[in-house]
Amino acid sequence: GAVVSQHPSRVICKSGTSVKIECRSLDFQATTMFWYRQFPKQSLMLMATSNEGSKATYEQGVEKDKFLINHASLTLSTLTVTSAHPEDSSFYICSAEGERRYEQYFGPGTRLTVT
Amino acid sequence: SQQGEEDPQALSIQEGENATMNCSYKTSINNLQWYRQNSGRGLVHLILIRSNEREKHSGRLRVTLDTSKKSSSLLITASRAADTASYFCATDGWDDYKLSFGAGTTVTVRA
Repeated sequence: GAVVSQHPSRVICKSGTSVKIECRSLDFQATTMFWYRQFPKQSLMLMATSNEGSKATYEQGVEKDKFLINHASLTLSTLTVTSAHPEDSSFYICSAEGERRYEQYFGPGTRLTVT
Repeated sequence: SQQGEEDPQALSIQEGENATMNCSYKTSINNLQWYRQNSGRGLVHLILIRSNEREKHSGRLRVTLDTSKKSSSLLITASRAADTASYFCATDGWDDYKLSFGAGTTVTVRA
């Protein structure tokens, strides 16, 4: 149980375009999901906390107008990178909170490359 | 915010040897967890240790926690090539259940 999927697993887009990444909890409902960003050979940096039915909470330094988060249902959160730039190229990982608040189940990640 | 630091940054060992990595953190914690990440993949949860626990075992994994030193160690015994991965510690606080990740240790197990 507690499986989280992400789609797509890889995406290449051109500068200036927008790309949407989906995060789904497949066999459980998640009121809260998290979005992380990971640069090569670095750790995960929390970008935002996504709460079902309410606005996401962004970490300091993360532009909310650039990284749009929507958590419209208990099993789906989306991250849209708007007007993408090459520096947005990164590995984006989502997680879904389990029954206990410190439990997080991670998706397999999405590799975004902006050309 | 990232509060954990891990050492070593990288570790290369022979199959069958033990691998030890350490994690230090700055603020008081509720739980400390260890995760494994294979290259280009998501995170796999390995083990959780609560702030009132000092040691925990799971298969070939042994985790210790010293809250007085704000540090934890992960020991992988009898390592296998499949253990080759990056290992991260992550902490959560009493007031904030968001996870804060350490920098990670990259472990390479040579066959």
